[in-house]
Amino acid sequence: EDQVTQSPEALRLQEGESSSLNCSYTVSGLRGLFWYRQDPGKGPEFLFTLYSAGEEKEKERLKATLTKKESFLHITAPKPEDSATYLCAVPDISSGSARQLTFGSGTQLTVLP
Amino acid sequence: GAGVSQSPSNKVTEKGKDVELRCDPISGHTALYWYRQRLGQGLEFLIYFQGNSAPDKSGLPSDRFSAERTGESVSTLTIQRTQQEDSAVYLCASSFSQVLNEQFFGPGTRLTVL
Repeated sequence: EDQVTQSPEALRLQEGESSSLNCSYTVSGLRGLFWYRQDPGKGPEFLFTLYSAGEEKEKERLKATLTKKESFLHITAPKPEDSATYLCAVPDISSGSARQLTFGSGTQLTVLP
Repeated sequence: GAGVSQSPSNKVTEKGKDVELRCDPISGHTALYWYRQRLGQGLEFLIYFQGNSAPDKSGLPSDRFSAERTGESVSTLTIQRTQQEDSAVYLCASSFSQVLNEQFFGPGTRLTVL
């Protein structure tokens, strides 16, 4: 069974203190890895899709990278508005449609001013 | 343009009652998904619709759960004889189907079963 594990479960940073979130997966034949941001009381907001090992994508203070076994979400000089839960997900290729996503349980990031 | 919308935003019901949750996908998105998110946990896939094809119901937890979608428009998720363990946020997402693509989520319906 495909699994997606995120660490740490929670992370508290001071404003400006860079760090990384981890998403490890056990999927054969990865067909993409998705990163989402979720604010309290809202649905997940799409951030990035990574398709192959070595790929990197950036958006503002966030950079996502992918290896054959894991993905990292690097946060550079975070601000309080970056506080949210960050979710990663992979397509479940065991399903006939390969359209459903298997999500990790997320990393709750708090950036203190 | 408008994003995915869901209604109601909150629903409180008594154990044993039936509830119906609604999702309006982004116009032009042929794929629609329902997920469940329990407090402090990740999202669990429930069901997937693609155009007029038979839905992928592999994630529905029991026969008390059902969903319908007419064409490429509104979908409803129905939970019959609700139980306390059904309490969760129910999220709907839609996407283009041509390629495996990012899913756009609605704000969710928070269901509380007393």
